[in-house]
Amino acid sequence: DGGITQSPKYLFRKEGQNVTLSCEQNLNHDAMYWYRQDPGQGLRLIYYSQIVNDFQKGDIAEGYSVSREKKESFPLTVTSAQKNPTAFYLCASSPGEGDGYTFGSGTRLTVV
Amino acid sequence: GEDVEQSLFLSVREGDSSVINCTYTDSSSTYLYWYKQEPGAGLQLLTYIFSNMDMKQDQRLTVLLNKKDKHLSLRIADTQTGDSAIYFCAEILPPIYNQGGKLIFGQGTELSVKP
Repeated sequence: DGGITQSPKYLFRKEGQNVTLSCEQNLNHDAMYWYRQDPGQGLRLIYYSQIVNDFQKGDIAEGYSVSREKKESFPLTVTSAQKNPTAFYLCASSPGEGDGYTFGSGTRLTVV
Repeated sequence: GEDVEQSLFLSVREGDSSVINCTYTDSSSTYLYWYKQEPGAGLQLLTYIFSNMDMKQDQRLTVLLNKKDKHLSLRIADTQTGDSAIYFCAEILPPIYNQGGKLIFGQGTELSVKP
């Protein structure tokens, strides 16, 4: 079955550490997206990629980095520069701009 | 600028109809979507409507679009406890617009269904 997989489901980070969240899709979708979700704030776009080896900043890119070396994979690194990283992170993909998104099941990141 | 607004909470009794409302600011939206998020999970696409349609029905779900007022609603008939979730509306603008081609989400409406 085609789908989009995020791992791990739960992640704990110590202050000052970088962590990487995985997002893999086998839907053959060109576009991939990372969102951050905080209670009562909806979804905020961190980074997106419309094609392999290309990505753009979203609304809240500071403290995050991404890569898109393969069509199937769009990992997100939360760096130590991100001052308030505790949140629920959602990855999504779509066949192209203007199409509906398919979402992963999310990763909950907590700073300890 | 582009903005999508929803009320944050809605509470209904099991068996009643639920109506979740959404307003958007840009009349150039091409598609409008409703997503459902259960606790601790990702978003699941429920339904969508093309901007030149007024209504779309899919089993218990009815989407109404009033383009003049830029108002979108999702009606859930015979609401069940399993419908308890957060519901997001989202719009897409044409790619030529700033933020075009990408989904713009509302804050989400938390629906609570009481037995």
